[in-house]
Amino acid sequence: AQSVTQLDSHVSVSEGTPVLLRCNYSSSYSPSLFWYVQHPNKGLQLLLKYTSAATLVKGINGFEAEFKKSETSFHLTKPSAHMSDAAEYFCVVTTTDKLIFGTGTRLQVFP
Amino acid sequence: ETGVTQSPTHLIKTRGQQVTLRCSSQSGHNTVSWYQQALGQGPQFIFQYYREEENGRGNFPPRFSGLQFPNYSSELNVNALELDDSALYLCASSREASYNEQFFGPGTRLTVL
Repeated sequence: AQSVTQLDSHVSVSEGTPVLLRCNYSSSYSPSLFWYVQHPNKGLQLLLKYTSAATLVKGINGFEAEFKKSETSFHLTKPSAHMSDAAEYFCVVTTTDKLIFGTGTRLQVFP
Repeated sequence: ETGVTQSPTHLIKTRGQQVTLRCSSQSGHNTVSWYQQALGQGPQFIFQYYREEENGRGNFPPRFSGLQFPNYSSELNVNALELDDSALYLCASSREASYNEQFFGPGTRLTVL
């Protein structure tokens, strides 16, 4: 069965420092993986997706993620955090008929 | 291009009542998926509608039902509301039953008292 585990429920960084949000996945076949972001009182927005092409995926707003099959990981990174990055981030894996969301990581950015 | 819209934004009901939530899909999309997001949790898949037929269902009881209309808008109906149904209900639209590119609406916050 497919599943994702987000290893940190909260991450705090200072503005201008790197961001790392960790996600491990479990899948019986080659998965499609996504990162979504949810700002307060807003809908979910797709940041980036991996669908078995390049293992390093670039997304919007300077985020990127690397698919590592050997580690079953799909961690989200950004070189320099901005105050506007403060939000809830979800790692997501697809099955044949639905999206499966992780429990989320709340990113706080301090000035 | 109009995005996904949902109505109402907030709703308060009492236990045992019935509720209908509405979703208008993004222009050019014929597929709508519904998710329940409890406080502090990730969204959970309820079901998907494609060309007016249910096209996949998550682990939700039959009192959660839906419809899709010829213009691809959709309704989520929940009967016999329970306290645990309090959540943010999200609608997402996509093309041709795809899960690879879903666009989400802002959600409807349902509170059951």
